Amino acid sequence: GQNIDQPTEMTATEGAIVQINCTYQTSGFNGLFWYQQHAGEAPTFLSYNVLDGLEEKGRFSSFLSRSKGYSYLLLKELQMKDSASYLCAVRDRGSNYQLIWGAGTKLIIKP
Amino acid sequence: EAGVTQFPSHSVIEKGQTVTLRCDPISGHDNLYWYRRVMGKEIKFLLHFVKESKQDESGMPNNRFLAERTGGTYSTLKVQPAELEDSGVYFCASSQEPAEASYPYNEQFFGPGTRLTVL
Repeated sequence: GQNIDQPTEMTATEGAIVQINCTYQTSGFNGLFWYQQHAGEAPTFLSYNVLDGLEEKGRFSSFLSRSKGYSYLLLKELQMKDSASYLCAVRDRGSNYQLIWGAGTKLIIKP
Repeated sequence: EAGVTQFPSHSVIEKGQTVTLRCDPISGHDNLYWYRRVMGKEIKFLLHFVKESKQDESGMPNNRFLAERTGGTYSTLKVQPAELEDSGVYFCASSQEPAEASYPYNEQFFGPGTRLTVL
């Protein structure tokens, strides 16, 4: 079956670094996306991984290991505005290339 | 450029009533998706339009849900009759690239969602 797991909630301190993990089980992996969603707003695209390794984009980086079914989103120099939910989603050939979503990780940033 | 818009932002109806949600995608995006998020759970795919055609409606929960995209522009999602379990946030997204094997990267742009509460 298909399954995406993420921690429900994490807390971090302003200025610090936090890593949000995502593990997945799909029948035909075809890419992994991270989205950010502030409360009451639209999810917005953060990153995309389809090959193993690290993709860096400013303060945010995303890592993928296809053999382990594992990804993480790394946020550096945390700012209060980074308080949001972070959603991991996997494209799956077994689901007509539609996105399979994790339940999201609520990140709370404290001063 | 305007993003994806959805209307209404909130809807509260009673069980058995009908509700119609509207989504206006980004201009020029042929691909339009509907998703639903039930409280505390993950976002789930409902269906995918390419222009006015339903490319994939495998996620539609039952025949009480009807989606249309006449003319290939905006889309509507009608729930008739609504049940308690239909409560949740309904998101719409659009993309230039389709969800197909030949397009491994299709960034989807989301609307803010419609929060539906069925009492």
